[in-house]
Amino acid sequence: NAGVTQTPKFQVLKTGQSMTLQCAQDMNHEYMSWYRQDPGMGLRLIHYSVGAGITDQGEVPNGYNVSRSTTEDFPLRLLSAAPSQTSVYFCASSSPGGYGYGYTFGSGTRLTVV
Amino acid sequence: KQEVTQIPAALSVPEGENLVLNCSFTDSAIYNLQWFRQDPGKGLTSLLLIQSSQREQTSGRLNASLDKSSGRSTLYIAASQPGDSATYLCAVTGSSNTGKLIFGQGTTLQVKP
Repeated sequence: NAGVTQTPKFQVLKTGQSMTLQCAQDMNHEYMSWYRQDPGMGLRLIHYSVGAGITDQGEVPNGYNVSRSTTEDFPLRLLSAAPSQTSVYFCASSSPGGYGYGYTFGSGTRLTVV
Repeated sequence: KQEVTQIPAALSVPEGENLVLNCSFTDSAIYNLQWFRQDPGKGLTSLLLIQSSQREQTSGRLNASLDKSSGRSTLYIAASQPGDSATYLCAVTGSSNTGKLIFGQGTTLQVKP
């Protein structure tokens, strides 16, 4: 049982490049979400999904796209990277009701945009 | 808009002390509250989850309480150890429970040997 797996762990992008951060969970959780963590700003919600085919915007969605074609996967796409997107990105999943252990987080992707 | 505040921002204690970390939230209409631990450069590890209908949860030396009406939660750590040094984060889920967590800024704890 791997939990929530994020790839890559580290990435350096040039301004204007695009990339996809991968997130996969094997717990059959319906809810998945993406957060970014910045010094002094804490963890902020980017996008979230309550099930396959359903996504919605969080607090800081600009510059990011998501899709949820399967229950297991929730990739985050950076369309045209900007230095302001330098951050640590975390993916999380949970089941409705949040019972048991609540939300499970991946180990993060550390992204630097130069 | 829900806001979550954690006090203090940083705390340094000698080994063996019992300590309390505080979390407050502005909207009492929450579905649940979760405490996490984050080690430097690492991800978040779930410590305790309290449903809105519950008053407290315990796991080993950790005890978390919830007073929803006053918008407060506390994390009590008994007999602190150097291995407890980390950042502790509090997060709430709104009453609609759409999988959205609102986080506090965290309390960074240092336990000195």
